[in-house]
Amino acid sequence: SQTIHQWPATLVQPVGSPLSLECTVEGTSNPNLYWYRQAAGRGLQLLFYSVGIGQISSEVPQNLSASRPQDRQFILSSKKLLLSDSGFYLCAWSRGGSSYNEQFFGPGTRLTVL
Amino acid sequence: QKEVEQDPGPLSVPEGAIVSLNCTYSNSAFQYFMWYRQYSRKGPELLMYTYSSGNKEDGRFTAQVDKSSKYISLFIRDSQPSDSATYLCAMSGGSNYKLTFGKGTLLTVNP
Repeated sequence: SQTIHQWPATLVQPVGSPLSLECTVEGTSNPNLYWYRQAAGRGLQLLFYSVGIGQISSEVPQNLSASRPQDRQFILSSKKLLLSDSGFYLCAWSRGGSSYNEQFFGPGTRLTVL
Repeated sequence: QKEVEQDPGPLSVPEGAIVSLNCTYSNSAFQYFMWYRQYSRKGPELLMYTYSSGNKEDGRFTAQVDKSSKYISLFIRDSQPSDSATYLCAMSGGSNYKLTFGKGTLLTVNP
């Protein structure tokens, strides 16, 4: 069976500090990978998605970036955090290709920027 | 007009009630429809997945899609306190890897 991991679960960071959130998927190959941010009252916002190693599509211009160094690893980064980066960050995966639409979410990372 | 509209609630019902959750959408290209359940401070969990119009039943849950009205529903029978969560609808046109989500409805089932 497939499993998705995210860490850390909770993070408190000062404004201007760097960020690195990691997501890994087990039990599948060549998944599509996604990063979302969920802010209170604003729903799920797609930040990045990736259909393969090194292939990143950005949905929202901002000070965040994503990388996919390995098939089942997805990393969300920032060089300098802003207060507005606070939120609940979710990684998700779907089966490779465009024919499968169900996405499966990880447990999330709650980020507070002070 | 937003692509997907979902009443945020909150919705509060007594245990055992039948719950109806709904979403409307404007994009006629949507073909795949999903419902997710999200407990507080957890990631969303896929609950139901349907394709095209019709009903799909899984235990106490029934998902209904009416493409002609651009309207989808999730029914929960014999609701339990453990059903208390936020329910998110999601949909896709099928070929662009992306889902469009509603903002979620917060449901509380009171014992």
